[in-house]
Formats: sequence, structure tokens, C-alpha cells
Amino acid sequence: NAGVTQTPKFQVLKTGQSMTLQCAQDMNHEYMSWYRQDPGMGLRLIHYSVGAGITDQGEVPNGYNVSRSTTEDFPLRLLSAAPSQTSVYFCASSPRRLATGTHEMNTEAFFGQGTRLTVV
Amino acid sequence: GESVGLHLPTLSVQEGDNSIINCAYSNSASDYFIWYKQESGKGPQFIIDIRSNMDKRQGQRVTVLLNKTVKHLSLQIAATQPGDSAVYFCAENLTRRGKLQFGAGTQVVVTP
Repeated sequence: NAGVTQTPKFQVLKTGQSMTLQCAQDMNHEYMSWYRQDPGMGLRLIHYSVGAGITDQGEVPNGYNVSRSTTEDFPLRLLSAAPSQTSVYFCASSPRRLATGTHEMNTEAFFGQGTRLTVV
Repeated sequence: GESVGLHLPTLSVQEGDNSIINCAYSNSASDYFIWYKQESGKGPQFIIDIRSNMDKRQGQRVTVLLNKTVKHLSLQIAATQPGDSAVYFCAENLTRRGKLQFGAGTQVVVTP
């Protein structure tokens, strides 16, 4: 069981270049998220998705696009990379669990190994 | 200890001693909290969670305490081992659906 898989692990971009960070999960989780982690700081939410075809912005969405065409994949696109986007990026997925009746429960997130991106 | 959004403190612990990592959370409406461990070069790894209807939960060598009155969370690690050296994050779930807000983290260094 692979869990959450991110590719590539490392990437160097020039300012203005575009690229897509890939994320795939094989746990059939409904929820997927992208976070960035900067030195001395916790993870900050970029975008998230509650299911195929549905995405929404997190805390720091500017400069990033996402799409969710399938349950398994949640790619993160940088259309025009900037040095401020140098960071470590983590993708996460979470299952949707229901308690008694239809009450939705909070659940933990499972993280990928990260993509270290440097923009020069 | 740590507070959401502030600098990264360091906790130095002797092998075999107990560790206590603190976290102050911001949103009184949060009802689910998670502790993650992050080793160098790896993604965060789930340790233990607690819901707001509890004030204590125990796992293997770890205990999480929740004080809703003062919005404080702590992680206790019993008999700390070298493999426990990592950055520890607390996270609160604000709106369900996998959205988490993380604290800045605490670096735990285990010395022989």
C-alpha cells in the first residue's frame, strides 16, 4: 500500500517557468490538500479538495492552481514560478468518516514525503 | 512549548527521560487535534489525536492532554529514545474535511 505519493522529490526552476507537482493516493480518500512548509514555520494550506471536481482555496493560494479530475490525483500547478515559492510542498489525503447517523467526524491527514522546490 | 504561527523552539531531552511538548491553539471552536512527528527530509507522520469531548488520550509511549479552558494541548513521550528526535507539530481541525491548521513545531533533540 503506497499511501500518498508525490513526484518529483526535488525540483529547481527558473523564475517564470511553470511546472506541475504530482500527488496520488491509493487509499480512496475523499479529501486531499496541498501544504507548503517554510523554515521555522508550520505547514500552511494552499488548496484543498473535498472530492473529484471540487476544489477550494486555503490560506496561501496565490500563484497556485489545482484540479481534481479523479479521486486518486490532485496535481498542484505553478504557472509562473517566483523565488517566494521556494519551499517544501506536502500533499495530504484524509478519509471521510461518518459517526452515528450522518454526523461527519474529523479525521487525520496522511502526508506524502514532500517535494523540495527551489526557484532561482 | 509552541504557539500556532510563532518561532520553532527546541526541547533537549536526555535518553530515558520523559518529554513534554506544549501547544497553544487559537480557535475555541476547534474540536479535533492531532500531533504529528516529522523527521528530517520526511513528511509529517501521525502520532495521536484527540477530540474535544476528551481531556486525555493514551497511545504507545505517548499521551495527549487537552485543556479546553485555556486552549492548551500537550504531548508527553515516555522514556524518550534517540528515534524520537524530530520536529513535533500540533494541528487543529477547524472545519473538518481534512483542513488542518498547524503550529510552528517543536524540535526535540534526544541526547545520550
